Amino acid sequence: DAGVTQSPTHLIKTRGQHVTLRCSPISGHKSVSWYQQVLGQGPQFIFQYYEKEERGRGNFPDRFSARQFPNYSSELNVNALLLGDSALYLCASSKGLAGGDEQYFGPGTRLTVT
Amino acid sequence: GESVGLHLPTLSVQEGDNSIINCAYSNSASDYFIWYKQESGKGPQFIIDIRSNMDKRQGQRVTVLLNKTVKHLSLQIAATQPGDSAVYFCAERGYNFNKFYFGSGTKLNVKP
Repeated sequence: DAGVTQSPTHLIKTRGQHVTLRCSPISGHKSVSWYQQVLGQGPQFIFQYYEKEERGRGNFPDRFSARQFPNYSSELNVNALLLGDSALYLCASSKGLAGGDEQYFGPGTRLTVT
Repeated sequence: GESVGLHLPTLSVQEGDNSIINCAYSNSASDYFIWYKQESGKGPQFIIDIRSNMDKRQGQRVTVLLNKTVKHLSLQIAATQPGDSAVYFCAERGYNFNKFYFGSGTKLNVKP
């Protein structure tokens, strides 16, 4: 079975630009979460989506937005990119909203903002 | 907010020895914890989880211990192998069930 997939693998953008990152969860998983991981640190929670609705939001500015599609795939959008947005963006999926469900991560998208 | 921290940023062990990686958490209401392994250039890999109604859980070569009294979590790896070299994170599920909070990680170096 395929795990969580993310695209693209790497991305280079310029300050002020917009970026869209994509994630496909494990088959049968309905919840998708997004995390930002800056080099040398642990992942920081950005969003959680379940059944196409936002169910959780971390401490990130409104430049960050996301959505989930009927097939449970998800997109993370970041507007007006800053140098500090350079990071590994991770997507994680789980079966349900909570209930102790194991959460599995994808390989991430490495975003570099110049 | 929740705070998850690790006692040691780097741990070096000899191949074949047992490894113990520690983690402290601050929110006594947290009810679920996961240990992840992250190799360079890859996403975190699920290792083992534990709920707050347990104090010990065993997997293949790994054991997680939870001490709710002192809000401490540990990961024990038996017979550590070179392939175990990675950064290990503990993650704590927040009180609203929708967020996981990660510590900064412990780098495990396994010497042959």
